Amino acid sequence: DAKTTQPNSMESNEEEPVHLPCNHSTISGTDYIHWYRQLPSQGPEYVIHGLTSNVNNRMASLAIAEDRKSSTLILHRATLRDAAVYYCILRDRRMNRDDNIIFGKGTRLHILP
Amino acid sequence: DVKVTQSSRYLVKRTGEKVFLECVQDMDHENMFWYRQDPGLGLRLIYFSYDVKMKEKGDIPEGYSVSREKKERFSLILESASTNQTSMYLCASSFHAGEVGETQYFGPGTRLLVL
Repeated sequence: DAKTTQPNSMESNEEEPVHLPCNHSTISGTDYIHWYRQLPSQGPEYVIHGLTSNVNNRMASLAIAEDRKSSTLILHRATLRDAAVYYCILRDRRMNRDDNIIFGKGTRLHILP
Repeated sequence: DVKVTQSSRYLVKRTGEKVFLECVQDMDHENMFWYRQDPGLGLRLIYFSYDVKMKEKGDIPEGYSVSREKKERFSLILESASTNQTSMYLCASSFHAGEVGETQYFGPGTRLLVL
């Protein structure tokens, strides 16, 4: 399985944008890029996913490099509630019964008031 | 909204006890999963099921079994609990693979302590 590399931790000030990087240099043409996050004492929750084009939703934006070897999750205006561990994950888009997610260690995002 | 519920948030059991962790989802999802999460190790897949009465081993099935008698319910069973099974257990569900990029929805987790 293609792996991802993320910084262990990042800090940002409240109400400022946050850019969370992810490297996935061995990504294959059939891999989607997914982002999940896990708030303290909760299960993971889906944030966003994309294949080639940049994506926006109500939670965040996903910027994907042209060569797809890296991507950046963008929180436009971080709040204290965004403090969490953010996971960047690759998922094969082909039909596959083994539909599990392989989570790495993620990036722990600290938001400073 | 999709809802995945787990029977307990916190559980304390003794070594050797049989432990049942229940998970229920209300979105008619075909796939259901059990993970455990430990500090420094991320999430690891224990078992998953893609249909009623079907089950597949994940990365670390030893010491666990599962049951899927109904589509909405997926149970994780620790036949004889051991201290190294102290962990956070997370259940998830998703639509059947083949729908491109479908999302897994997670429950709140059960923190199990085995004494």
